[in-house]
Amino acid sequence: KNQVEQSPQSLIILEGKNCTLQCNYTVSPFSNLRWYKQDTGRGPVSLTIMTFSENTKSNGRYTATLDADTKQSSLHITASQLSDSASYICVVRRGDYKLSFGAGTTVTVRA
Amino acid sequence: DGGITQSPKYLFRKEGQNVTLSCEQNLNHDAMYWYRQDPGQGLRLIYYSQIVNDFQKGDIAEGYSVSREKKESFPLTVTSAQKNPTAFYLCASSGDRVVGEQFFGPGTRLTVL
Repeated sequence: KNQVEQSPQSLIILEGKNCTLQCNYTVSPFSNLRWYKQDTGRGPVSLTIMTFSENTKSNGRYTATLDADTKQSSLHITASQLSDSASYICVVRRGDYKLSFGAGTTVTVRA
Repeated sequence: DGGITQSPKYLFRKEGQNVTLSCEQNLNHDAMYWYRQDPGQGLRLIYYSQIVNDFQKGDIAEGYSVSREKKESFPLTVTSAQKNPTAFYLCASSGDRVVGEQFFGPGTRLTVL
């Protein structure tokens, strides 16, 4: 069973609307959590990174939250743009430096 | 994509053939990684190397081989022993083992005909 579960698997939103992606993990011990954006046919690019003590981190219109007690993270996209259409991947780093990848959420923004 | 290049972007292979995927980085990173990405699954680690002339198997190393003769280069060979090689292959590098941000290349899509 994957130690990082993302939901929903995919979603479609209208341009200008907001959306929130979820990431639940069971990885232990926890080191940090990172959200990546992956455009179709390209490599992932890091959006945010959060350690155990951080609850929220923003990068422009992207805001990530982390609840280390419940082992949940979310990525909120504000005022979506067509360029936000991509797959968003949650990656959790363990204390032994190994990474666990979620399967990703595919976001489609329509005009 | 940063300072990591992968080639070719698309690769077609006949069954029974070995093929080599190239990965080069100019970030002066010590660690390099190869991942495989399949639809609906998270990235899976094939091989990784933390230093020149040394590499370790990842979670799905069977049917693959690597070399790390230079710091900048980490080629991946997909051998005929790999039963289901059609996938998107991503190379990554990291310069900080603790923080661990990995910078990814643009990927190579391998299709077996």
